[in-house]
Parts: sequence; C-alpha cells; structure tokens
Amino acid sequence: DTGVSQNPRHKITKRGQNVTFRCDPISEHNRLYWYRQTLGQGPEFLTYFQNEAQLEKSRLLSDRFSAERPKGSFSTLEIQRTEQGDSAMYLCASSLLNENYGYTFGSGTRLTVV
Amino acid sequence: QQQVKQSPQSLIVQKGGISIINCAYENTAFDYFPWYQQFPGKGPALLIAIRPDVSEKKEGRFTISFNKSAKQFSLHIMDSQPGDSATYFCAASRNGGFKTIFGAGTRLFVKA
Repeated sequence: DTGVSQNPRHKITKRGQNVTFRCDPISEHNRLYWYRQTLGQGPEFLTYFQNEAQLEKSRLLSDRFSAERPKGSFSTLEIQRTEQGDSAMYLCASSLLNENYGYTFGSGTRLTVV
Repeated sequence: QQQVKQSPQSLIVQKGGISIINCAYENTAFDYFPWYQQFPGKGPALLIAIRPDVSEKKEGRFTISFNKSAKQFSLHIMDSQPGDSATYFCAASRNGGFKTIFGAGTRLFVKA
C-alpha cells in the first residue's frame, strides 16, 4: 500500500461542466475525508465517510457537490455545473476508525475552472 | 469557536536557528492537536501531535509546547534546515470527532 492515491492530479474544465475526482485510501483505514484547500489557506472540511456511510457534510458542500464511497473502498467527489469559485485543491485523507491518529492525505487534485 | 488562529503567516529563519509557530484555539472540546507539513504540490503530512494532558512533546528536532489554560500551542523546530522550508499547519479536533480544523498556515523559509 503506497498511501492515499488521488486522480487526476490536475483538472482544467470550462465553467458549467461536470467533473469527478477519485480517491483510493489506505486499505485498512475505515475513515475517509474530503477537504478543499484554496491558495494560502488551510484545508477546509467538506465531507466524511465511515466505511460506506457518509456521516457528515459541511455547509461548504452545496447541492452541486456529491460524494460517494461504494463498498467502503474508494471514493468519488463530483462537482456539477462547475463555477470559477470551485477552483481549488481537493484533498482526500484517510484514517483509522478508533482514535485520532491524524490523517494521511493524498497529493490532491488541483481543479481550475476557466 | 471553531477557529484555530495561526501566526505568523510567513517566517524566515537562518540555517541552524529555531523556528517558532504559534496557534490559539477557542473550543475547549478540542483534545487532539496535530501539526502538518506541506510541500508545494503535495498534500499535508502529519508531523507531530499532542493531547492536552501533556505540556510538551518532542520528536527529533520538532517540539510542541501546549498551554491548556491559555488555549495556545506552538511548534518549535530546532536547528532549522533548508529542507524544512515548507508550509506548516496547526490543527485541532475532538477525540472521536471526524472534523479537523486547520489554521491558515505558516510559510517557513530557512536560509542556507
């Protein structure tokens, strides 16, 4: 297992298009998180899965955003009708279930909406 | 109450010097305080973390000092090296919680 993998690394899309990102967590990690990071800021929480259940969504996650984690393995984050304000780094992280061991982050997907 | 305030925004230190980054929090329910290091083009990587039942934790050249009464904690990097040049984020979360709140980050540059 080589850590948390995110694809694609970069995505440029036109405003109004839909995009989907994929995250493959560390295999034994039950928890999976999506964060968004804009330039010069810390990561902001978007959503969280425990196994396949999505247990929390931030107010930042508008109706245009949807995330899934089928079978409790990989996860996808879809943004519909992208807007320029969606341009950011989208980070996926995973962790063990029982304690706060801290996250293992992937390298992120950088989204640019033009 | 959910904020974690981090300072300074940027820091320049000579090689061999001590880098100090400070953070303050408001929510007393937080009980896990990690620091993350991020290099350009990479995701943040967990560096060191502390729980509020101890006042200091040291791992190699990295030390967290924690002041529970003041609701403040800091990262000290001893003998700073050019390879330490990165952005550092403090963070806070609640045990059993799922959401980690990050500070805005400190860009550290260590001059050779």
